[in-house]
Amino acid sequence: DARVTQTPRHKVTEMGQEVTMRCQPILGHNTVFWYRQTMMQGLELLAYFRNRAPLDDSGMPKDRFSAEMPDATLATLKIQPSEPRDSAVYFCASGLVLRGSQETQYFGPGTRLLVL
Amino acid sequence: QQQVKQSPQSLIVQKGGISIINCAYENTAFDYFPWYQQFPGKGPALLIAIRPDVSEKKEGRFTISFNKSAKQFSLHIMDSQPGDSATYFCSPGGTGRRALTFGSGTRLQVQP
Repeated sequence: DARVTQTPRHKVTEMGQEVTMRCQPILGHNTVFWYRQTMMQGLELLAYFRNRAPLDDSGMPKDRFSAEMPDATLATLKIQPSEPRDSAVYFCASGLVLRGSQETQYFGPGTRLLVL
Repeated sequence: QQQVKQSPQSLIVQKGGISIINCAYENTAFDYFPWYQQFPGKGPALLIAIRPDVSEKKEGRFTISFNKSAKQFSLHIMDSQPGDSATYFCSPGGTGRRALTFGSGTRLQVQP
C-alpha cells in the first residue's frame, strides 16, 4: 500500500527557530506538492516540483521559506526563521503527471506546526 | 482573481438524506474534475473524479454531475451516512499552476 510519508507529524518550536519538514513521495510519482492548511486560508499551494525541478514556488514567502528535492525520494520544506503566523498543517502530496495534465494527488498525513 | 468557488461552506444533512456540494470554475482549459474528502487529522484523499467527456459519473453512493457550459460540477452523496461527515474539496485540474487550486471546502455533518 503505497503512501506519502511526512516527518515530523507534530512540531512545536519557538519563534525564530528553523523548522525542516520532510516528505517521501510515492515511488514512481514525478510531481511533488507542498500545501499549507489553515482555518482562515484553507489549502494553499506553496510549491511544486516535477521530476525534482521546481516548477512554481510563487505561493511561498521567499524570505523565509525554501523547498528542495535532494533526490527523487525526498522533498524538504524549510522555514527560517519561523514566526507564529506560520502555525498551520503542512501537507505534502505526490502525483503522476502524464501528457502535461494534472492527475490525482496523494496526500501525506501532514505536519502540524505550532510556532510559539 | 478566484479561480474556484465552492458552495456551501457548511452543510448539515440528516442520515439517509442527499448531500449536494457545488464547484464553479473559470478556466476552460481544465480537463480533470476531482472531489477530495478530508477527515479531521488526515490529509485529503481522492473521492471521485470526472473527465469532461461525460456529464455524470457514479461510484456507489457518490455521483459527480458535470456541466461544461456552465463551468460547474457538483458532488451528490445519496443516502448520506454519519461516516460521510468530513470536509469536501473540489480541485479542478489541467495544465499549469492555475490548475493547482482547491476550493474553500465544505464541511458536511450528517446527523444520525
